[in-house]
Amino acid sequence: AQTVTQSQPEMSVQEAETVTLSCTYDTSESDYYLFWYKQPPSRQMILVIRQEAYKQQNATENRFSVNFQKAAKSFSLKISDSQLGDAAMYFCAYRRGAGSYQLTFGKGTKLSVIP
Amino acid sequence: DSGVTQTPKHLITATGQRVTLRCSPRSGDLSVYWYQQSLDQGLQFLIQYYNGEERAKGNILERFSAQQFPDLHSELNLSSLELGDSALYFCASSVGTSGRGNEQFFGPGTRLTVL
Repeated sequence: AQTVTQSQPEMSVQEAETVTLSCTYDTSESDYYLFWYKQPPSRQMILVIRQEAYKQQNATENRFSVNFQKAAKSFSLKISDSQLGDAAMYFCAYRRGAGSYQLTFGKGTKLSVIP
Repeated sequence: DSGVTQTPKHLITATGQRVTLRCSPRSGDLSVYWYQQSLDQGLQFLIQYYNGEERAKGNILERFSAQQFPDLHSELNLSSLELGDSALYFCASSVGTSGRGNEQFFGPGTRLTVL
């Protein structure tokens, strides 16, 4: 079974600074996807960024980028120029590339942004 | 707004009771997924339906059941409720079950409180 581990229950960052959230996963599959979801206090789950395992290039979405290390099974999220609106729970998630498409989530990292 | 709707937003009920949670997927999406978010278990996949048929089952209790109707909306039925069933229940939808980039879009969730 696939597992996703987020080892940082809480983190904080100064506004305008950069922060990196860690995620490791365990799978025997070669074809899969990895995601970061944001859950603000409204509790809405918002997709932040996606990475396909077959792509070597790290995904980037504006201020959000990932460092995908396939051999190490590591998938970290970097948030640049942090803003107050970035304060939220962040969940790392795994999905197989074929077969069932349910998401397996980590326990989450609570990010606080300090003005 | 993800385009996925869930009703009700909040539900308070007593132990032993039965409730029904409703989800309407995004227009054009054929797959519906149900997830449970609780403090002790985190975010867990419950069940997936595709075009009216069950496609995958996760950690869903026997007291829970779901279905997807011809108009593609889905209902999650929870019976013989226990205190531990108190959680946030999310519905997500996606276009299909296969293909790359098949994103899941989450609804706002239903907060269930069992007293």
